[in-house]
Amino acid sequence: DVKVTQSSRYLVKRTGEKVFLECVQDMDHENMFWYRQDPGLGLRLIYFSYDVKMKEKGDIPEGYSVSREKKERFSLILESASTNQTSMYLCASKQGTSTDTQYFGPGTRLTVL
Amino acid sequence: GEDVEQSLFLSVREGDSSVINCTYTDSSSTYLYWYKQEPGAGLQLLTYIFSNMDMKQDQRLTVLLNKKDKHLSLRIADTQTGDSAIYFCAESMGRDDKIIFGKGTRLHILP
Repeated sequence: DVKVTQSSRYLVKRTGEKVFLECVQDMDHENMFWYRQDPGLGLRLIYFSYDVKMKEKGDIPEGYSVSREKKERFSLILESASTNQTSMYLCASKQGTSTDTQYFGPGTRLTVL
Repeated sequence: GEDVEQSLFLSVREGDSSVINCTYTDSSSTYLYWYKQEPGAGLQLLTYIFSNMDMKQDQRLTVLLNKKDKHLSLRIADTQTGDSAIYFCAESMGRDDKIIFGKGTRLHILP
């Protein structure tokens, strides 16, 4: 079974703090994704990565950056957290072909005070 | 642009069939998906259908695709309390491997 894990289920940070959200997948998938999920807005793509050290902006990259130093790990970074970044963050991974689906981690609920 | 629309809420009595509907705008979609999200969890793939198919059945789940109307539906037969979740419709263009998600339909099961 594919396993996608996220470093924390719940996280509380203060405005201005630097926040790291970690995601690890164990199936040697090439593609990894970060979404945020907000009520009434569904899932919105923040960043994705096709391969190690490669990254592409999604639909809402502002205020975020990412790092993919190893194939299995994709980190989402909030350089200076703000209250409007309070959300559920979901990581996903998939193999490189379009026939494959995305597998999701359990999510990290981040609250920024 | 690419867009996936679905209603936000659906209430169904236990034992009845649930039908969750979805419309999409991009006719070049190659794959259409249904994901399930239980409370406090990530998304789990339920089923998917290729765009050249009309129907797919998997146990209690039936997916119908009307490509002309760009309409996708998920039917859950004999709805159980464990089916209570948010159901996301999603489409993949086949290019750049991105998947576009709808906002999700919250299915509520009435006793």
